[in-house]
Amino acid sequence: DSGVTQTPKHLITATGQRVTLRCSPRSGDLSVYWYQQSLDQGLQFLIQYYNGEERAKGNILERFSAQQFPDLHSELNLSSLELGDSALYFCASSANLLVDTQYFGPGTRLTVL
Amino acid sequence: GESVGLHLPTLSVQEGDNSIINCAYSNSASDYFIWYKQESGKGPQFIIDIRSNMDKRQGQRVTVLLNKTVKHLSLQIAATQPGDSAVYFCAENIGTSGSRLTFGEGTQLTVNP
Repeated sequence: DSGVTQTPKHLITATGQRVTLRCSPRSGDLSVYWYQQSLDQGLQFLIQYYNGEERAKGNILERFSAQQFPDLHSELNLSSLELGDSALYFCASSANLLVDTQYFGPGTRLTVL
Repeated sequence: GESVGLHLPTLSVQEGDNSIINCAYSNSASDYFIWYKQESGKGPQFIIDIRSNMDKRQGQRVTVLLNKTVKHLSLQIAATQPGDSAVYFCAENIGTSGSRLTFGEGTQLTVNP
């Protein structure tokens, strides 16, 4: 158990809908990261937040957004969902802003029908 | 673009043998490398890491070697066990204003009893 929690574990929804994925980092960690894992793209970095502020951005679609709250938990919002958004979404956390070990949560499996 | 790639997509070994999983990276600015293990349906699990100022690091039954001259990373698993069967990813980190991991494609390790 990495100490990173994610909810829900599974999510099934329809195209055009909007969903919110939630992540709680390990106790004491200030950085939260979101990654997408799909069969054809592998593990892809989406975005990093550190102590409430966005600090790094990957190939995150404009339909996706994230935020980190004062209690350090984070949410990833996915809107106007498409079939191709079906994937595993992982949250990771680390203690610091820069070079540091990232610990991953169990993931949320999103299925868009 | 710059990327991290694995040489072998699959590796099959006998229980008790040593396993070696290789990874090539192309970004000379990468300063931190991590090996993750991912079992089916689970999030990536941290195995071992190494910083760019080192060329070898040992853990429990695992050793990571870093050759910056040829931009090569390897993970050695001693006395491989059936529980080691999983997909192994190398990841590189570049920390500037934020942090992100770039993952290789993964190697499926199968340990035969």
